[in-house]
Parts: sequence; structure tokens; C-alpha cells
Amino acid sequence: NAGVTQTPKFQVLKTGQSMTLQCAQDMNHEYMSWYRQDPGMGLRLIHYSVGAGITDQGEVPNGYNVSRSTTEDFPLRLLSAAPSQTSVYFCASSSSGGHTDTQYFGPGTRLTVL
Amino acid sequence: TQLLEQSPQFLSIQEGENLTVYCNSSSVFSSLQWYRQEPGEGPVLLVTVVTGGEVKKLKRLTFQFGDARKDSSLHITAAQPGDTGLYLCAGARTNAGKSTFGDGTTLTVKP
Repeated sequence: NAGVTQTPKFQVLKTGQSMTLQCAQDMNHEYMSWYRQDPGMGLRLIHYSVGAGITDQGEVPNGYNVSRSTTEDFPLRLLSAAPSQTSVYFCASSSSGGHTDTQYFGPGTRLTVL
Repeated sequence: TQLLEQSPQFLSIQEGENLTVYCNSSSVFSSLQWYRQEPGEGPVLLVTVVTGGEVKKLKRLTFQFGDARKDSSLHITAAQPGDTGLYLCAGARTNAGKSTFGDGTTLTVKP
């Protein structure tokens, strides 16, 4: 199993550009989520999904869109990048999203918006 | 509003020393998890505690969940350089799977 994979690993954007961060898991997990991590801070939840076709907002959803057309994939779209979106983005998955489930994290995408 | 406060924010110690880091909240959680994150990587789960007063041990690491399920601590005995990393606590209130993370404690263990 590859676990949770994320692409790209690094990305530089100009203000106003759009892009999609890719996330895939091969563990047949129902629950997937996106977090951002800023320097010296923990992770803040952007969006999450409890299964294919179902998504919901987390703590900091503004400026981001998600969709979940398959169990395996959960892409995160930046609509119009802003410098405030410079961060490290982590995708995670767990079997059902239960509060005792293990969340498996990807290696992260390091995004810089100029 | 930060629901989970971790302290200290930074900790630098010598190999062999003991240390405790704390994760505190005014809210009650159904469960609390501790993760370790190394530079350039995603967090990795260390432990999940569910019951108030619960103590779990993982080799030299001891985790405790407060009786009221509002706080937790992580104690490391005889720290080693391999323990270096960012330690994050995360609390969840329901089965909705929405975890709230603290800001983390950055631990450096010097040889």
C-alpha cells in the first residue's frame, strides 16, 4: 500500500492563479480531510469528506473548494490564490472518521503564493 | 479561539533527561490523540486515549488523559535524539471525525 499520496510536493503560484492539490489513498478509507499548517502552528481543518459524494466545511474553508467523486481521490482547489494561502497542506484519511480512528497523513504540499 | 493549548511551545533538553508536555482545554473531548511530526513529513499517530484518567505507555512515552477529559499530558523518560520532533495533540468531541489540533510542542533532544 502506498498509503496517502499528495502531488505536487512543492508549488509556487502568483496571486490570482488557481490550482488543484491532488490527494489519493489506497486503503479504501471512507473519511478524507484537508488541513493547512502554518509555521509554529498546528493543523487547521479546511474541508472533509465522510464518503464519496459528501463533503463539508472545516474550520478555515474560505478560498478552497473540494469534491469527492471516488473513494480514493479528494482534490483541493484553490480558486484565486492569495499570499495568505502560503502554507503546507496535508491530506489525511481514516477508515470511517470515528473519533478513535487513526488518521493517516500524506507527506504534504508546500505552497508559496507570491 | 484556540480550543487546545499546548505547553511548552519549545523545549530543548539533553539526552537522558525526562520531560512532560501538556495539552489543556476548557472543553470536554470524547477522545484525545497525540501525534509526532518530523520535519518535511506528515504527523504520525502515537496514541489515542478515550477514558478519563486513562494512562497508556509506549516504551519510554507515557500518556495520560485527565479525569474530566479536558486535558492530557505526555511524559518522556530518558529522552533520546530520536525523540526530536513536533508533538501535536488533537481532540475530537463526536464521531463526526473533526479533530481540533493544538499548536504543538517542538522538542529538541541534544546528544
